[in-house]
Amino acid sequence: AQTVTQSQPEMSVQEAETVTLSCTYDTSENNYYLFWYKQPPSRQMILVIRQEAYKQQNATENRFSVNFQKAAKSFSLKISDSQLGDTAMYFCALPSSGGGADGLTFGKGTHLIIQP
Amino acid sequence: EAGVTQSPTHLIKTRGQQATLRCSPISGHTSVYWYQQALGLGLQFLLWYDEGEERNRGNFPPRFSGRQFPNYSSELNVNALELEDSALYLCASSFSRLAGGHAGELFFGEGSRLTVL
Repeated sequence: AQTVTQSQPEMSVQEAETVTLSCTYDTSENNYYLFWYKQPPSRQMILVIRQEAYKQQNATENRFSVNFQKAAKSFSLKISDSQLGDTAMYFCALPSSGGGADGLTFGKGTHLIIQP
Repeated sequence: EAGVTQSPTHLIKTRGQQATLRCSPISGHTSVYWYQQALGLGLQFLLWYDEGEERNRGNFPPRFSGRQFPNYSSELNVNALELEDSALYLCASSFSRLAGGHAGELFFGEGSRLTVL
């Protein structure tokens, strides 16, 4: 069974600082995607960034980047120059094996608070 | 292009009643997933519909059921409501997962908040 583990239930940083959210996972698949989703207080889950496992280059989207280490099954999210609007729950996710039967397997989330 | 839409936004019911939640996927998407997000429990997979049929269900009792219509919209029904059913119910859509060949990314609606009193 696939697992996704986020070991930081909550983090708090000052505005403009850089913060890294950790995620480890386990899968028997060889080629797969990994995702980070953001869920602000407005509730809607929004895709932040995705990484394809066979690509060695880490994905980057503006202030968001990942550190993907396939052998270690680690997929951390770095947010640079953090902004108040980054305050949200962040979920690491992995597509289920076996043709998408469960959709995505999510970690329990990290509540990120950006302090002014 | 319209995103995933869910209705109602909020729903208040009492124990024993039935609740019906609705979801319209993004145009072109045929896969619809339902998740329950209860406080402190993360996202729990409920149901997967694709091409009009239920393809998988999570570890929930049979009083959680649903269907997918010919236009790929979906409905989640919860019968005999219990207090612990109070949660945010999220619907997500994607291109068909039956054929595979894509990343598996899901697109989410804003959710329906169900409160059971």
